[in-house]
Amino acid sequence: AQSVAQPEDQVNVAEGNPLTVKCTYSVSGNPYLFWYVQYPNRGLQFLLKYITGDNLVKGSYGFEAEFNKSQTSFHLKKPSALVSDSALYFCAVGGGTGKLIFGQGTTLQVKP
Amino acid sequence: GAGVSQSPRYKVAKRGQDVALRCDPISGHVSLFWYQQALGQGPEFLTYFQNEAQLDKSGLPSDRFFAERPEGSVSTLKIQRTQQEDSAVYLCASSLPLTGTGGYTFGSGTRLTVV
Repeated sequence: AQSVAQPEDQVNVAEGNPLTVKCTYSVSGNPYLFWYVQYPNRGLQFLLKYITGDNLVKGSYGFEAEFNKSQTSFHLKKPSALVSDSALYFCAVGGGTGKLIFGQGTTLQVKP
Repeated sequence: GAGVSQSPRYKVAKRGQDVALRCDPISGHVSLFWYQQALGQGPEFLTYFQNEAQLDKSGLPSDRFFAERPEGSVSTLKIQRTQQEDSAVYLCASSLPLTGTGGYTFGSGTRLTVV
C-alpha cells in the first residue's frame, strides 16, 4: 500500500532563511510525488511533481524538491523564505490510477 | 472556465438531511476526483471519474455517499442522511487525460457542517 509521512506538524523559519519541509514515502514500484500548498479557506495549489528524471525538481514560487530514492524522501526546499510562504503544505504520492495519497500536512510559519 | 468551480461554498445541514455538492471542472479535463478533508487532516480520496465513467469509488465511506458525472463534465457528490462525521471540506480536482503524471487543479471546496 502507498503511504506518505510528514514528520513535522509545524516548521518555523525566519524570513530570508532557507526552509525545508520533510516528506517520506512508501510505495511499491516507481513513485509519482507531488507537493501542494493550501492557504486558508482555499483549495490546494500544485507546486511541483517528480515523475522521472532529474532528482532535483523545480516548481512554482521558487520552491524545489529533491527526490532521494535510497532514503525514500521528497523534501521541499526554498533557499530564502518569504512571509507570504506561510501556509499549509501537503506532500502526496500517486500512481498510474491518478489517485493521490496525501500526508497530514505541515504548517510553515515564516516570521519577519 | 479558468478553474475548477465548486458550489455551494458553505453548506450547513441538519443531521439526516440529504445534500448535493457540485463540481464544474476545467473545460476539456477528462479526469475528475473528489476528496474529503477533515479538519486538521490531509485530503482523502473518495472517487474518480474518467469522462462519465466512475472508475474508482473505493474511498466512498458508506453507501450514503454517491457521485455522478452523467455527461462527462459537471459532477455531483450526494450525501444521504448526513451524519456529524460527514462534516468536512469536500474538494474536487480535475486533470488532463494523463492522470497520475499531471498536477491536478483543485477547486476551493465545499465546507459541509452537519448540525
